[in-house]
Amino acid sequence: EAGVAQSPRYKIIEKRQSVAFWCNPISGHATLYWYQQILGQGPKLLIQFQNNGVVDDSQLPKDRFSAERLKGVDSTLKIQPAKLEDSAVYLCASSLDRGDEAFFGQGTRLTVV
Amino acid sequence: GESVGLHLPTLSVQEGDNSIINCAYSNSASDYFIWYKQESGKGPQFIIDIRSNMDKRQGQRVTVLLNKTVKHLSLQIAATQPGDSAVYFCAETISGGYQKVTFGTGTKLQVIP
Repeated sequence: EAGVAQSPRYKIIEKRQSVAFWCNPISGHATLYWYQQILGQGPKLLIQFQNNGVVDDSQLPKDRFSAERLKGVDSTLKIQPAKLEDSAVYLCASSLDRGDEAFFGQGTRLTVV
Repeated sequence: GESVGLHLPTLSVQEGDNSIINCAYSNSASDYFIWYKQESGKGPQFIIDIRSNMDKRQGQRVTVLLNKTVKHLSLQIAATQPGDSAVYFCAETISGGYQKVTFGTGTKLQVIP
């Protein structure tokens, strides 16, 4: 079974630039999550989708971060403009439904310089 | 690859010994708990879970203990192997609703051959 796919694997940008990350969840998974993991910390939930609807974006910095899952499958997370403190690994995860085991992708390592 | 465990508390264990990793959770309303293993450069991987109506659950070489009175979880790994070297996170959530999962700060396990 294919896992959660994320791209790119690594990204280096200058502050104030924009960046986008892509996630393809496991086929058939209704729930999709984006997490931010700063070095030395546990993952922090940014946004959770149920199909193509947002169910929790309380920790998403909405002045600069946006995410969409238009057709209820793939998702993109965008940062515009990026700040130095956005340097982190961005993890995408999916689960069959809410409350089911979440499977994580390898993440995108973002470095803002 | 990058290390997620750069500034985390570290537990060093001799190969073949048992490991005990501890975690304090924050929300007394949490009723579902998960342990994740995260190897360098990879996303977190589910190890074992436990619901609040239990105080112990066993898997293959792993046991999770839950003490709701003091809001404490532990993960015991029997006969620790080099492949167990990773960062371990506990996560808590409230079942029902949108089940937001909150990760702890993590512990880095180093297995000494």
